Amino acid sequence: EVQLVESGGGLVKPGGSLRLSCAASGFTFSSYSMNWVRQAPGKGLEWVSSISSSSSYIYYADSVKGRFTISRDNAKNSLYLQMNSLRAEDTAVYYCATGMTAMAFDYWGQGTLVTVSS
Amino acid sequence: QSALTQPRSVSGSPGQSVTISCTGTSSDVGGYNYVSWYQQHPGKAPKLMIYDVSKRPSGVPDRFSGSKSGNTASLTISGLQAEDEADYYCCSYAGSYVVFGGGTKLTVL
Repeated sequence: EVQLVESGGGLVKPGGSLRLSCAASGFTFSSYSMNWVRQAPGKGLEWVSSISSSSSYIYYADSVKGRFTISRDNAKNSLYLQMNSLRAEDTAVYYCATGMTAMAFDYWGQGTLVTVSS
Repeated sequence: QSALTQPRSVSGSPGQSVTISCTGTSSDVGGYNYVSWYQQHPGKAPKLMIYDVSKRPSGVPDRFSGSKSGNTASLTISGLQAEDEADYYCCSYAGSYVVFGGGTKLTVL
């Protein structure tokens, strides 16, 4: 059974940093691309970033480019999102999602809440 | 990276069919056959319902179907059931990025 468990969310001040993690199990993590998608409170889904299986290809939404860094450790079956220079508008539930099916988000974690507030 | 356009809400009675539209541009929906649809119940993570415009993942009822014409994709739910009441999001690959629709709230009357 595919399982994705996000962690690392919390309350941070504007301008601060946070590192999210996503622990994966139940599938061959190193074979598939992975993604971060976020959802602001009461709002819709927003794609944040994607990383290919070997980390060769990395993509970011314009809204986070230059501030967020996606990475993965295939030996640890883990996905990460380093978030710097956080803004109030980054407040959201952050989901990690698999990319087993090309160009779609097959499986999702339960999400971790990031709140940026002074 | 502009969001795809979906109606804010649709409704239907049990047993009826409803269609949710998703309009983009030739750079996203119209340019690739990589439209996907997600169902999200309150407080839950999204669930993949349709991928590659019209394919259903294992376990998704065949009451759910997808299609595309030009820059507009559609999700049709036939034989509406109470448990179909949820938010639905379309999503399209757009080359170096991915874009979601704003979401549609489906109410089963």
